[in-house]
Amino acid sequence: AQSVAQPEDQVNVAEGNPLTVKCTYSVSGNPYLFWYVQYPNRGLQFLLKYITGDNLVKGSYGFEAEFNKSQTSFHLKKPSALVSDSALYFCAVRESLGGSSNTGKLIFGQGTTLQVKP
Amino acid sequence: EPEVTQTPSHQVTQMGQEVILRCVPISNHLYFYWYRQILGQKVEFLVSFYNNEISEKSEIFDDQFSVERPDGSNFTLKIRSTKLEDSAMYFCASSIARQGGGNEQYFGPGTRLTVT
Repeated sequence: AQSVAQPEDQVNVAEGNPLTVKCTYSVSGNPYLFWYVQYPNRGLQFLLKYITGDNLVKGSYGFEAEFNKSQTSFHLKKPSALVSDSALYFCAVRESLGGSSNTGKLIFGQGTTLQVKP
Repeated sequence: EPEVTQTPSHQVTQMGQEVILRCVPISNHLYFYWYRQILGQKVEFLVSFYNNEISEKSEIFDDQFSVERPDGSNFTLKIRSTKLEDSAMYFCASSIARQGGGNEQYFGPGTRLTVT
């Protein structure tokens, strides 16, 4: 069964410092991996994805994520955090075509609240 | 920039009543989804829909739930007889192609359903 784990309920970081939000996954086939961000009273906004190719993917608002197949991880990173980055972050996974499910179902982690303090 | 929209933003209903949650996906998208998030829990997949039929549904999506694309623009989720445990935030999403192509889903702002 597919699953995603975000081991930290909350991450606190000072503005200007680098941030990391952790995500590990489990799928039977090759993974497609996604990060979404949710601001209060808003829907989930797409940040970035890993499909294939370069393990370091860059996304919106200066975020990037590193795919590590051996550690089954896809941690979200940003070199210099902003107060406006404070939000709820979700990691999600789906199997690529050829797995038992190819209908686009995303499996989400439980979310990590990022708090950036001035 | 095109967005997925959902109405209403908040729906309060009594147990046993029917509710219809409405979504307008992005206009050139072909795949549609409903997810829900019970307060404090994970976002959970409910159903995917393509070419006017359900592609996949989760075990949550029982006979009390149905989806429809009645007019080529709206995508609705109906809960026939609501239960207290249906209280959640319901998200609609759409994508331009199946995720097998690696395309991301775009989510609406959600409808908060409160069943009393």
